[in-house]
Amino acid sequence: EAQVTQNPRYLITVTGKKLTVTCSQNMNHEYMSWYRQDPGLGLRQIYYSMNVEVTDKGDVPEGYKVSRKEKRNFPLILESPSPNQTSLYFCASASGAVYEQYFGPGTRLTVT
Amino acid sequence: KNEVEQSPQNLTAQEGEFITINCSYSVGISALHWLQQHPGGGIVSLFMLSSGKKKHGRLIATINIQEKHSSLHITASHPRDSAVYICAVTPPGTGNQFYFGTGTSLTVIP
Repeated sequence: EAQVTQNPRYLITVTGKKLTVTCSQNMNHEYMSWYRQDPGLGLRQIYYSMNVEVTDKGDVPEGYKVSRKEKRNFPLILESPSPNQTSLYFCASASGAVYEQYFGPGTRLTVT
Repeated sequence: KNEVEQSPQNLTAQEGEFITINCSYSVGISALHWLQQHPGGGIVSLFMLSSGKKKHGRLIATINIQEKHSSLHITASHPRDSAVYICAVTPPGTGNQFYFGTGTSLTVIP
């Protein structure tokens, strides 16, 4: 089954404790993205990747890191999480720049 | 900055009604996307269009590039259509960059 998976789905952590949210797709897609969704602000793009070792900043990259060492995986790294990074995070993939996006199920992160 | 504006923000309809959700954008685009997010949180892509009109079942999406406007229509609405509908645009030459509207929350009452 074609899908985008994210782990963990729920995470409660404390300020400053490094964490990684994994994202994996099985569709051989070149394009992958990370988004955060906040009430009243909607979805905002954090980082995107157009291929292995090719990444670029989205609208709200501050406080986040990404890497794309393999085509299928695109982990999101929070080196020192802060409470303002409490949000619902989505990973997505697509086969091209103007193609349909496939979204993961979301990761709800709470930073206390 | 609000590159993408949607209206209305909230919409309540009776089952069977024809529904229209509007999206206006201020940047040049290579494509416009309509997404659906159900209360459980999952997001599904409904349409991607760069010109004209697309239809899928009871859903129709149109775009007017000159006016920088798109509409999503739902015919014969049903309670299962209750969801948040999100418009997103991809500017040209930006790779995979996306700008999103804040969504329209639709409730269809039986």
